[in-house]
This record gives sequence, C-alpha cells and structure tokens, in this order.
Amino acid sequence: QSALTQPASVSGSPGQSITISCSGSSNDVGAYDYVSWYQQHPGKAPKLIIYDVNYRPSGVSNRFSGSKSGNTASLTISGLQPEDEADYYCSSYTRSRTRVFGTGTEVIVL
Amino acid sequence: EVQLVQSGPEMKKPGESLKISCKGSGNIFATSWIGWVRQMSGRGLDWIGFMHPGDSKIIYSPSFQGQVTISADRSISIAYLQWSSLKASDSAMYYCVRGGIDWGQGTLVTVSS
Repeated sequence: QSALTQPASVSGSPGQSITISCSGSSNDVGAYDYVSWYQQHPGKAPKLIIYDVNYRPSGVSNRFSGSKSGNTASLTISGLQPEDEADYYCSSYTRSRTRVFGTGTEVIVL
Repeated sequence: EVQLVQSGPEMKKPGESLKISCKGSGNIFATSWIGWVRQMSGRGLDWIGFMHPGDSKIIYSPSFQGQVTISADRSISIAYLQWSSLKASDSAMYYCVRGGIDWGQGTLVTVSS
C-alpha cells in the first residue's frame, strides 16, 4: 500500500490561490468519495479541513475547497494568508478498509 | 466536540513493551472509527490502524500488521496502542484520532539504549 503522491511544496503570495494535488489509484482515491485533507502546523496535531472530497467541518474557512477527478484529488486554498503556511496531507479510504495518507505538501506563503 | 486525551511521553529501551492510551470524553466508540497515526520526527503521517464502530473490527495498515496491537476498553472510553518489543525505529509521535475530526495531543515515544 503506497502513500498517495503530493507535491513536496507549493508556494504563493498572499491573496493568491494555490492548488495541491493528491494522486492515488483506483483502489483508494478513485474508489470512494472518502478523501480528506489535513492541515498541520509545526508542533501541533493535524486538523481536518476537508472531508468526503469537498465538505468543510464547522469552523473551517471557506477559502479551503476540495475536489476530485478520477484517481486524483485536489485542495485549493484561495485568498492565501500567512497563517495558511503549514503542511497539508490528503488521506483516502481504501478497498482494503484501511486508510492511506499522502506524502505531504509544505505550503509556503511568500 | 469530543476531547481525546493521550497518555504522557515515554522513554523506553529496545526490547521493552509499551502500552499508550487515548481517553475520550463521552462514548467515543459509538458512531465513529478510532484510529492511530504515527509521525516520525520531521516526517509525514502514517495510518497505523482503525477500530470500526459497530463490529469493533480492527484493521491494520499492512506496514504495521503484527508490529503493534490496537485495543480498547469501551466501558471507560479508552483506546490503546501497544508494542510487545520496541525497536529504535518505533521512536515517533503517536496520535489517536476519532472519525478524522478529533485528534489527541499526541504521545511522544522515544526508544533508545
């Protein structure tokens, strides 16, 4: 079971939009609409920001949005803000009833 | 919101056993899965395994099958992660998580001779 593939880093200036991809297979991302995204600041526990591909938990900014096409999911952060600088991980349920994380993406706000 | 409180940091020697815990406020097993996540220093997140609600079946990620044991005492809303013989490579932060939404604060496990 391989980790989902994410870019190592993505950068943008404040106010810009960025998109992070999460590439999997027909056994995970492509199999179910059970893709989640987590934000992790240094020294902190991860925080759920998107679940079931494109749903936001209560309290999460609507600047975060998710989508999926085939075996690839994406997270878009619009109106990038300094506090968005963090690591982001996708996660998917799999046909084996397990879950798998992505490799993680460092978002840099220039 | 459910609060998950994990047991404190541990320093162990290779070969020793360890059981860490995750206590939830309320019945954490009622409707959501409970899982454990490993994060080695400076590295990404790894799913260890899950306890599914309802049938309580535990599913381990292939990399952790046979390496750790997940268990729970539902009567007191505590989940456990245990090792019978620790290795230096088990040194990491371990998080419990409920339904992906609620996370414990993490338990740092250090294994060193």
